Amino acid sequence: AQSVTQLDSHVSVSEGTPVLLRCNYSSSYSPSLFWYVQHPNKGLQLLLKYTSAATLVKGINGFEAEFKKSETSFHLTKPSAHMSDAAEYFCVVSEMNTGFQKLVFGTGTRLLVSP
Amino acid sequence: SQTIHQWPATLVQPVGSPLSLECTVEGTSNPNLYWYRQAAGRGLQLLFYSVGIGQISSEVPQNLSASRPQDRQFILSSKKLLLSDSGFYLCAWVPTFRTYNEQFFGPGTRLTVL
Repeated sequence: AQSVTQLDSHVSVSEGTPVLLRCNYSSSYSPSLFWYVQHPNKGLQLLLKYTSAATLVKGINGFEAEFKKSETSFHLTKPSAHMSDAAEYFCVVSEMNTGFQKLVFGTGTRLLVSP
Repeated sequence: SQTIHQWPATLVQPVGSPLSLECTVEGTSNPNLYWYRQAAGRGLQLLFYSVGIGQISSEVPQNLSASRPQDRQFILSSKKLLLSDSGFYLCAWVPTFRTYNEQFFGPGTRLTVL
């Protein structure tokens, strides 16, 4: 079975400083990986996805993530944090089971952005 | 374009009362549909999924049930709510012809059981 570990439950940054949200995965084959963002009491919005194309994936709102197979990591980064980035972020791995897709979610990282 | 709706947005129910949450998808046919629950401060737990009308699979034993009476309608139910059923319930869909692609999530329903 596949799994995802988000190494930090909370990350605090100042506005304008870089963001790093860490994610490690466990998979028996080449996985598909996603980052979703959730603002309070809202549904989940896809930030970016990796599906075995380029290892550096660019997403919305200036976020990007790099797939590193040797490290089994898929960390999310942004050069400069904005106040509107404050939210919960989920790293997700996709697995297929008899033709049915299932997403396995990490426990989430809450990003706090201070002025 | 495709959209996904959930209602109600918020719900407060007493313990022991019934529950019915509805999810509908527009602009697509024969989607795979999912129900997730998000407890406070935790990640998402997959509750049910469906690959077609009347086809429901349960991921975890629980006090809830799901039904898919129409192609684009997915309903989450309970006969008697428990305090532990409180949480944020999310419905999601993905086109059946696509693999290893993202799921699209609805806005969610906040359920509080008192």
